[in-house]
Amino acid sequence: GAGVSQSPSNKVTEKGKDVELRCDPISGHTALYWYRQSLGQGLEFLIYFQGNSAPDKSGLPSDRFSAERTGGSVSTLTIQRTQQEDSAVYLCASSLTHTGPYGYTFGSGTRLTVV
Amino acid sequence: RKEVEQDPGPFNVPEGATVAFNCTYSNSASQSFFWYRQDCRKEPKLLMSVYSSGNEDGRFTAQLNRASQYISLLIRDSKLSDSATYLCVVRLGNAGNMLTFGGGTRLMVKP
Repeated sequence: GAGVSQSPSNKVTEKGKDVELRCDPISGHTALYWYRQSLGQGLEFLIYFQGNSAPDKSGLPSDRFSAERTGGSVSTLTIQRTQQEDSAVYLCASSLTHTGPYGYTFGSGTRLTVV
Repeated sequence: RKEVEQDPGPFNVPEGATVAFNCTYSNSASQSFFWYRQDCRKEPKLLMSVYSSGNEDGRFTAQLNRASQYISLLIRDSKLSDSATYLCVVRLGNAGNMLTFGGGTRLMVKP
């Protein structure tokens, strides 16, 4: 597609439920990143994927968070047993490659509210 | 010390003013530099890359000073629509090539 597509755009869930967030990167972009941003705060790195390499999971805040990327394209971020502190905007970005002078293109995000 | 530091602002300026933001980075091996713009409740969008020789895009001018490890963004003839948060972004060459985002500088352009 022309841009990075994320779904759903908004998600309200009850505390303790699991949620899945989807990201469809720009076609041909080998690098894919997940960030989250709480209200009024900066970007918090979660995880990135580069081609077929093992993902860098160093930013995941707990073992309730996991992500996968199938076929080097679409990625799913899963949050199990959601907590209220998980409420944030979850942003996905893709880049042509992980190295080189390329910036990231962000999707419009999924606004997650845990009630 | 944060890897990328910015004055959070807000910078309140009248329409037509010239405003400049600075950003400092801690890793001298940093390789690529960008300015992103983030509107309220929107995703960050790439404003411009920053090249060693400096570069200009319309009313926006970006400068890089490697010796002092800072990047600047100059906005001339400010418009109301320039109101946003400006993020300084650095690719740290020896830290897995991740882009590291500063916390942003908020700009408010008033009529």
